[in-house]
Amino acid sequence: AQSVTQLDSQVPVFEEAPVELRCNYSSSVSVYLFWYVQYPNQGLQLLLKYLSGSTLVKGINGFEAEFNKSQTSFHLRKPSVHISDTAEYFCAVSKETSGSRLTFGEGTQLTVNP
Amino acid sequence: EAQVTQNPRYLITVTGKKLTVTCSQNMNHEYMSWYRQDPGLGLRQIYYSMNVEVTDKGDVPEGYKVSRKEKRNFPLILESPSPNQTSLYFCASSYGTYRGYTFGSGTRLTVV
Repeated sequence: AQSVTQLDSQVPVFEEAPVELRCNYSSSVSVYLFWYVQYPNQGLQLLLKYLSGSTLVKGINGFEAEFNKSQTSFHLRKPSVHISDTAEYFCAVSKETSGSRLTFGEGTQLTVNP
Repeated sequence: EAQVTQNPRYLITVTGKKLTVTCSQNMNHEYMSWYRQDPGLGLRQIYYSMNVEVTDKGDVPEGYKVSRKEKRNFPLILESPSPNQTSLYFCASSYGTYRGYTFGSGTRLTVV
């Protein structure tokens, strides 16, 4: 079975500071990895995804993530955050052979303070 | 506009009174899923569907039913709701998980 662990439930940072949201996964097979963002009172939207190829993937709003197979991690980073980045962020994993099953982590609340 | 539409957005009901949450997508997606979101637990998959008349259980299917009679619709049915089903529910659709899911705006259900 696959699982995802987000190592921080809350991350407070100041505006224009860099941020890293940590995600570890476990799976016995190859996986697809995703980050989704949920703004207050909204549904989730896809931020970025890793399917194969380059281990550094870039997403929307200046976010990027690095897939590390040896450490089974997929950490999300942004070099300089804005107030508008305040949201909850979810890491998710899907097995290559499964088209429908998506397993989410517990979520990390990012709060950007002025 | 491409979207997933859920109704209602908010619902308060009593224990044991059957209810249906509707979900409709206009993108001709094959895959649809229902998730519930609870604080500290993230999103957990309830049921998913790979196409019309093809559904399967997710991680927390107990107390829920689904049907997929048309490609665009995927209703979630609670035959006898209980207070532990109080949660925020999301419907999502996709051409395949690897393509990323499009989520609805959510349904906040309270069972008293």
